[in-house]
Amino acid sequence: GAGVSQSPRYKVAKRGQDVALRCDPISGHVSLFWYQQALGQGPEFLTYFQNEAQLDKSGLPSDRFFAERPEGSVSTLKIQRTQQEDSAVYLCASSSTGTGTSPLHFGNGTRLTVT
Amino acid sequence: GQNIDQPTEMTATEGAIVQINCTYQTSGFNGLFWYQQHAGEAPTFLSYNVLDGLEEKGRFSSFLSRSKGYSYLLLKELQMKDSASYLCAVKKAGTALIFGKGTTLSVSS
Repeated sequence: GAGVSQSPRYKVAKRGQDVALRCDPISGHVSLFWYQQALGQGPEFLTYFQNEAQLDKSGLPSDRFFAERPEGSVSTLKIQRTQQEDSAVYLCASSSTGTGTSPLHFGNGTRLTVT
Repeated sequence: GQNIDQPTEMTATEGAIVQINCTYQTSGFNGLFWYQQHAGEAPTFLSYNVLDGLEEKGRFSSFLSRSKGYSYLLLKELQMKDSASYLCAVKKAGTALIFGKGTTLSVSS
């Protein structure tokens, strides 16, 4: 497709379950970003990949959060033992360069609800 | 770290002009972005400023003053469809884009 694709669109998990969120970036885009957005707030940075290398994971809130991009294309954000505070929209974005000065193209996000 | 401040909410009427301000504090500044986000949708790119001055793009313009750590987004000839959240985001060299909390703009007829 032409844009960033994320799946699933909605995910409901019971507290303690593991979840995996998928992101398909725009083909050929070097950089891939994950953000977490709470209701009424701006996106909060989680982690960043340049090709398959995870260059910055300083925003991951705990060791329950893990992200990978093994072949430099599709990325998965995994959350283990989900907690209610993990409920948010998880946004993936990609950009064409590694410098970060080209615009980010966002997917529609995955809305995670932990019950 | 870096602090990014923008008003939480603004209201305006159709056809009017509105200015959304953003102030920031950061070292290693490498550009400022504005994004628009409609409820339940992805943020979409509006503008990018790295040098001081005004960038005009149709009904939308963005201004930057690096010495003052200040930017604004100017929306002219407001339309109902401009009701959305407007996100100011700062790029620091070597790091990912950092967003402010967003300004929710409500346009009424």
